Amino acid sequence: AQSVAQPEDQVNVAEGNPLTVKCTYSVSGNPYLFWYVQYPNRGLQFLLKYITGDNLVKGSYGFEAEFNKSQTSFHLKKPSALVSDSALYFCAVRSNQAGTALIFGKGTTLSVSS
Amino acid sequence: NAGVTQTPKFQVLKTGQSMTLQCAQDMNHNSMYWYRQDPGMGLRLIYYSASEGTTDKGEVPNGYNVSRLNKREFSLRLESAAPSQTSVYFCASSQRGASYEQYFGPGTRLTVT
Repeated sequence: AQSVAQPEDQVNVAEGNPLTVKCTYSVSGNPYLFWYVQYPNRGLQFLLKYITGDNLVKGSYGFEAEFNKSQTSFHLKKPSALVSDSALYFCAVRSNQAGTALIFGKGTTLSVSS
Repeated sequence: NAGVTQTPKFQVLKTGQSMTLQCAQDMNHNSMYWYRQDPGMGLRLIYYSASEGTTDKGEVPNGYNVSRLNKREFSLRLESAAPSQTSVYFCASSQRGASYEQYFGPGTRLTVT
C-alpha cells in the first residue's frame, strides 16, 4: 500500500537560517512526489515535483527538494527562511502504476521567527 | 483565469439535511477530485473523476455522491449530513496522468450540528 510520512508536526526556524521539512514514502513502482503549501484559510498551492531525472528539484519561492531513492525520502529545503514561509506544508506521493491515487502526508507546520 | 472555484465558502447544516458543493475549473483539465481536510489527518480523497463521464470512489466515499456535470464542473452531494462530515472540503483538478500536479480551489468549510 502507498503511504507518506511527515515525521514532524512542527518545524521552527529563525529567519535567515536554512530549513528542512522531512518526508518519507512507500510505493510500489517508481514514485511521483509532490510538495504543496497551504496558507491559513486558503487552498493548497503546488510548490514542486519529482517525476524522473535530477534528484534535486527546484520549485517556487526558492524551495527545493532532494529525492533519495535508497532512503525513500523527499525532503523539502530552503537555504534561507523567510517569515512569510510560515505555513502548513504537505508532501504527497503517487505510484507511476496505473490507477493509483495521490496520497498526502498529514502535514508539517513551519514557523519562521524574526 | 480563475483556476478552480468552489461554492459556497461556508455552510452550516443540521444533521439530516442535504446539500451540494459546487466546483468548476477553467483550465481545460480532464481530471477532477474532491478531498476533505481534517486536523492532523492531511487530505483524504473522497471521489475523483479521471475524465468527463467517469467517477470513482476514493479513500472515504461513504455518505457522499458526486456528479461530473461536464468537463468544467464536478459537484459533491451530501444526502443526509452527519456531524462526522464536519470538515473543510477541497476540489482540485489536473491534466490526466499520474505525473501532473493538482490545482486546488479555496475550500468550503462545512459544519454539521
